Amino acid sequence: DGGITQSPKYLFRKEGQNVTLSCEQNLNHDAMYWYRQDPGQGLRLIYYSQIVNDFQKGDIAEGYSVSREKKESFPLTVTSAQKNPTAFYLCASRLPGGTDTQYFGPGTRLTVL
Amino acid sequence: GESVGLHLPTLSVQEGDNSIINCAYSNSASDYFIWYKQESGKGPQFIIDIRSNMDKRQGQRVTVLLNKTVKHLSLQIAATQPGDSAVYFCAENKSKTSGSRLTFGEGTQLTVNP
Repeated sequence: DGGITQSPKYLFRKEGQNVTLSCEQNLNHDAMYWYRQDPGQGLRLIYYSQIVNDFQKGDIAEGYSVSREKKESFPLTVTSAQKNPTAFYLCASRLPGGTDTQYFGPGTRLTVL
Repeated sequence: GESVGLHLPTLSVQEGDNSIINCAYSNSASDYFIWYKQESGKGPQFIIDIRSNMDKRQGQRVTVLLNKTVKHLSLQIAATQPGDSAVYFCAENKSKTSGSRLTFGEGTQLTVNP
C-alpha cells in the first residue's frame, strides 16, 4: 500500500520540549515538503527538500529543523524556540520529473500544553 | 452558488446545484495552478490542476478555468453532493527555480445542504 504516512496523528507535548514529527513515503518521490496549518487558514511552507541530504528553508522556518538522510523519510523537529508550535502539520511529496503536483499525508496535530 | 475572491471564505449550496469557487492569484509569472480539497482533520487531496498555457481543464464533475488577464482561477463542481463539503484551496507555483514551491490561498469552506 503506497503513500505518505505521518505519525502520530495526535501529539501532545509540554512547553519547552523538542518534538519530532515523522513523515515517510514509499512513492519514490524525490522532493518532500513540510507545511504548517493554523485553524481557518491556508498552508505555510516550513522546509522542503528536493533531494537526499539537501533541504531549504521555507517561509516560516524559524524554530524548526529537518533532516533528509533517506529518500523515504523527512522528519520535522519542532524546537523550544518555536513561539507558537500548536498547529496541524502536513507533509507532502512531489512526483519526479517536471510535474509540480504535491501529494499530502494525513497530518499530525501537535498540541503544546 | 458562487464564492467571490478570498474575502468570502464560506459557500453554501443545495445538493444537486453547481458550485463555483473562485480564487485570485498574485503572480502573473505563475505557470501552474492546482485545486485541493481538505476534509476536516485530514490532509489536502488533489482535485485538478492546470498549466498557464490552458484556459480550461475538465475532470470528473469538476472544471477549472484560468483567466490570466485578470489573474483569476475558478473551480466548478457539477451536481454538488454532500460528500463535496470541505475546504477548497487553490495554489500557485510562483517559481520553477525554487523547488516547485506552491503558495496556497486561504481556502473556501463549501457546505452542501441536503
